[in-house]
Amino acid sequence: DIVLTQTPLFSPVTLGQSASISCKSSQSLVSRDGKTYLTWLHQRPGQSPRLLIYEVFNRFSRVPDRFSGSGSGTDFTLKISRVEAEDVGVYYCMQGMLSPPTFGQGTTVDIK
Amino acid sequence: EVQLVESGGGLVQPGGSLRLSCEASGFALSSYYVAWVRQAPGKGLEWLGRIAHAPDNYNTLYAASLRGRFIISRDDSKNSAFLQMHSLQSDDTAVYYCTRENWAAYEYWGQGILVTVSS
Repeated sequence: DIVLTQTPLFSPVTLGQSASISCKSSQSLVSRDGKTYLTWLHQRPGQSPRLLIYEVFNRFSRVPDRFSGSGSGTDFTLKISRVEAEDVGVYYCMQGMLSPPTFGQGTTVDIK
Repeated sequence: EVQLVESGGGLVQPGGSLRLSCEASGFALSSYYVAWVRQAPGKGLEWLGRIAHAPDNYNTLYAASLRGRFIISRDDSKNSAFLQMHSLQSDDTAVYYCTRENWAAYEYWGQGILVTVSS
């Protein structure tokens, strides 16, 4: 199985500042069709996960442009600009390139 | 509005079985794959399996760790999917989510349903 390693596991941030989360894959996530199936999910406390970013950098419906994804191959980053209170929670990267789909361990973002 | 609603969870004794349902609204479930994911208390997300749509022959895939205990099915006429679970043990205690899958992205998630395995 593909292993996704997220760093940091905990990220205290100041409101209005930025946060970055890294996700490193144990193998390339570039599929034979040329697409890279790496997504980012956000889970607020007590809620179900929601999709933020798909195929590395595409924001899903109604996701604010404060969220941006980047990277290629095995190294990916989620950046949250101008952090707001509603951004707290756990962020997961997930790969769908190879079955079984796997998730990173999660990164908890909290306000300082 | 796109919604997925799970039901059928609750308390079950070790060794027992349970069937979860996932009812979709606001879209035609028949056009999408459906995946099931669970989250044990205080833990991360664990993929359980998925069922394809009709064009892909309702093909199913499962996590190897389940050892064949779980079965995913769907009834597109009811806009619903199901997770049948057998031989449940304490480490199956978790919140179970169904999700709408589109090109390997889990676009929408249900609210989750708690399954507790305990005597």
